Amino acid sequence: NAGVTQTPKFQVLKTGQSMTLQCAQDMNHEYMSWYRQDPGMGLRLIHYSVGAGITDQGEVPNGYNVSRSTTEDFPLRLLSAAPSQTSVYFCASSPPGVEKLFFGSGTQLSVL
Amino acid sequence: GESVGLHLPTLSVQEGDNSIINCAYSNSASDYFIWYKQESGKGPQFIIDIRSNMDKRQGQRVTVLLNKTVKHLSLQIAATQPGDSAVYFCAENGEFSGGYNKLIFGAGTRLAVHP
Repeated sequence: NAGVTQTPKFQVLKTGQSMTLQCAQDMNHEYMSWYRQDPGMGLRLIHYSVGAGITDQGEVPNGYNVSRSTTEDFPLRLLSAAPSQTSVYFCASSPPGVEKLFFGSGTQLSVL
Repeated sequence: GESVGLHLPTLSVQEGDNSIINCAYSNSASDYFIWYKQESGKGPQFIIDIRSNMDKRQGQRVTVLLNKTVKHLSLQIAATQPGDSAVYFCAENGEFSGGYNKLIFGAGTRLAVHP
């Protein structure tokens, strides 16, 4: 019963490097989303997807790309990392008609 | 180390006391509200939710109260235990898109339980 799985748990990047944060869920949820969490600012929505092949921007999409080729996976790509992207990233999912989100355990990213 | 939770308001309580965590929401049209608990190094975990046609809902040791008149939400935890120490977030449903409501989260409150 894995739920939402995020990898890696920790990552350190240099400015300008690229990387992909992985997110997978085994609950057959159509809705998946990425949030970033910064001190004192709560969770802010980066990108979301309502199903395979469909993605859209959230509140803070700049500097991030996503794709959704399967129901299970929703990777988040940083093409050229910046120090402002230092944050904790959470992936979440939910089934149709359910507002409650199920969260992964997060990825702590530091960009030097 | 973990940077989540810096600069958050903190509620300190004694073990065994009741805790009340408050949240003000922004959109009078929101009709769904939810509380999450986040322990250090972990993702948010669902605690309890409530729809706007209710003003109170109870779970195991937790109660959520909704006052739509003043757009206020509270989470009450009875007989607080050390394991309740965490950051607590409220969220409201926001923009409806593609069949889904996007949750809008508050900044969170840290609950510190002292023996």
